[in-house]
Amino acid sequence: DIQLTQSPSTLSASVGDRVTITCRASQNINSWLAWYQQKPGKAPKLLIYKSFGLQSGVPSRFSGSGSGTEFTLTISSLQPDDFATYYCQQYDSFSSFGQGTKLEIK
Amino acid sequence: QLVESGGGLVKPGGSLRLSCAASGFMFSDFYMSWIRQAPGRELECLSYISFRGDAKYYGDSVRGRFTISRDNAKNSLFLQMNALRADDTAVYYCARGGSHSAFDFWGQGTLVTVSS
Repeated sequence: DIQLTQSPSTLSASVGDRVTITCRASQNINSWLAWYQQKPGKAPKLLIYKSFGLQSGVPSRFSGSGSGTEFTLTISSLQPDDFATYYCQQYDSFSSFGQGTKLEIK
Repeated sequence: QLVESGGGLVKPGGSLRLSCAASGFMFSDFYMSWIRQAPGRELECLSYISFRGDAKYYGDSVRGRFTISRDNAKNSLFLQMNALRADDTAVYYCARGGSHSAFDFWGQGTLVTVSS
């Protein structure tokens, strides 16, 4: 099974900050990585697919990069609506998710 | 739109069948999946099924106990859950996607509680 490790687990930041979340895979997953945003009591929302593809309707302040085993999600300028939990997901071999990164207001 | 139903309270060892009604897209053109989230935990992909239902894939934690199926004529996805355990307690989501497709649409989720 492919394990995904996200860092940090919790991130405190302010509106306007640039933040980066990292996701490391236990083996090569090529570019089969997605990022999701989840707010309490809600279903996850797809932000990024295939490492860097921006899902339709998602603001351009969200971007993804990486391939192989190391990937990043960057939010260029945090907005109040961005405080949530973020998950990476690999879909190279079956599917698995990272443990999540909770983005909190500083 | 994806709308799950069928969740509820069930005793350990019991069974439950979840349904997911799809609308607004060509259901038969997409892989479909079931994903769950235990309270305060990360997401876990349980199973996905191919366009026509001829290929099915399962995660280790549910293989042999859960069965995924679909009815393209009724735009519906199903998850038959048998031999339920306390650690199956979670919100269960259906989602569009699977295999080499990310999950781009999700239902609102249905809560399954396994407890005596």
